[in-house]
Amino acid sequence: AQKVTQAQTEISVVEKEDVTLDCVYETRDTTYYLFWYKQPPSGELVFLIRRNSFDEQNEISGRYSWNFQKSTSSFNFTITASQVVDSAVYFCALSEPLKAAGNKLTFGGGTRVLVKP
Amino acid sequence: KAGVTQTPRYLIKTRGQQVTLSCSPISGHRSVSWYQQTPGQGLQFLFEYFSETQRNKGNFPGRFSGRQFSNSRSEMNVSTLELGDSALYLCASSLDPTQETQYFGPGTRLLVL
Repeated sequence: AQKVTQAQTEISVVEKEDVTLDCVYETRDTTYYLFWYKQPPSGELVFLIRRNSFDEQNEISGRYSWNFQKSTSSFNFTITASQVVDSAVYFCALSEPLKAAGNKLTFGGGTRVLVKP
Repeated sequence: KAGVTQTPRYLIKTRGQQVTLSCSPISGHRSVSWYQQTPGQGLQFLFEYFSETQRNKGNFPGRFSGRQFSNSRSEMNVSTLELGDSALYLCASSLDPTQETQYFGPGTRLLVL
């Protein structure tokens, strides 16, 4: 069975501090996708990034960066110079294996980020 | 391009009633998935539809059902509502059901009294 663990339930920082969110996943398959979504208070899940299991190149996009390490089954996410608007719940998610039919996501429990001014 | 839309946004029902939620996917997207979000269980997959066929189903009782229409719009139905069905129901659409990125709607918040 697939599983995603986000050990941090809540992180509180002061504006401009960096925030790193941890995500550890379990799967028996070798081909899959990993995702990060953001859920602001409005409730809608906002897509941030998708990485496939073959691509371990880390990426930076503006103030966001991702660190994917297949050897440790981790897919961590960092917000640099946090802003109040970054306050939200962040979810890590794992797709079904690429060979499977269907598009089911397994989500972690989420990490609530509170950025104080 | 318009995003995923869900109606209604808020709903209050009483135990024993049934409810129907609607989801319109992003134009051109043919796969629609439904998720339930509760404080206790988190985000859980309900089911997925593609080409009017249910492709995948999560571990929910038969009271939860859904369907997809030829224009890819989807509805989910919950019969004989229980207090524990109170949740945020999120719909997501993707181009097709091959691990494509899913884009989520704003959700329908259901309260069962």
